[in-house]
Amino acid sequence: EVQLVESGGGLVQPGGSLRLSCAASGFMFSDYYMDWVRQAPGKGLEWVGRIRNKVNSYTTEYAASVKGRLTISRDDSKNSLYLQMNSLKTEDTAVYYCVRDISCRGSSCEHWGQGTPVTVSS
Amino acid sequence: DIQMTQSPSAMSASVGDRVTITCRASQGISDYLAWFQQKPGKVPKRLIYAASSLQSGVPSRFSGSGSGTEFTLTISSLQPEDFATYYCLQHNIYPITFGQGTRLEIK
Repeated sequence: EVQLVESGGGLVQPGGSLRLSCAASGFMFSDYYMDWVRQAPGKGLEWVGRIRNKVNSYTTEYAASVKGRLTISRDDSKNSLYLQMNSLKTEDTAVYYCVRDISCRGSSCEHWGQGTPVTVSS
Repeated sequence: DIQMTQSPSAMSASVGDRVTITCRASQGISDYLAWFQQKPGKVPKRLIYAASSLQSGVPSRFSGSGSGTEFTLTISSLQPEDFATYYCLQHNIYPITFGQGTRLEIK
């Protein structure tokens, strides 16, 4: 069974840092692109960014709103995805979801974790 | 960035109704379009990928169509469990972008 379990969310002050983790199991993690998606309270979904697989040199893409502040990385030996969040702003408050390849063009290849909440507040 | 505009933003309908939600892209995206359903407090669920392909396990009353800049999600006969918020997503060009969502409520 495919599982994605996020952790590391919590309360942080503006300007602070936080590192989210996503533990993957039930599939060959190293084969897949991985995404982070977030949802602010009462708002819509926002794609945060992506990291490609080793075959594609682990390259990354980001939304403009987070570029330079949030960094996605992965450790295939640990089946883990990370989101390093620096210089946090109140508008970064959201539930953060780890997603297996949100753009995959196949019937059962995309998969979401349950999300971890991040609150940026003084 | 490609802007994805959904219409309507909200609507009310009755069980058994046929419902259509539209998503327009600010530039052509071929068929790199997916539709998601989200219920309150729940994780989004993908319904349609590649504009018109039904995700495994999704009821056949859901269908998607379109290519280029205009796309539709149709629910042929609304069921009580379909009342939710629906999002389109384009993944043709980075950054990947979602529509703003369409909230479907019970009339």
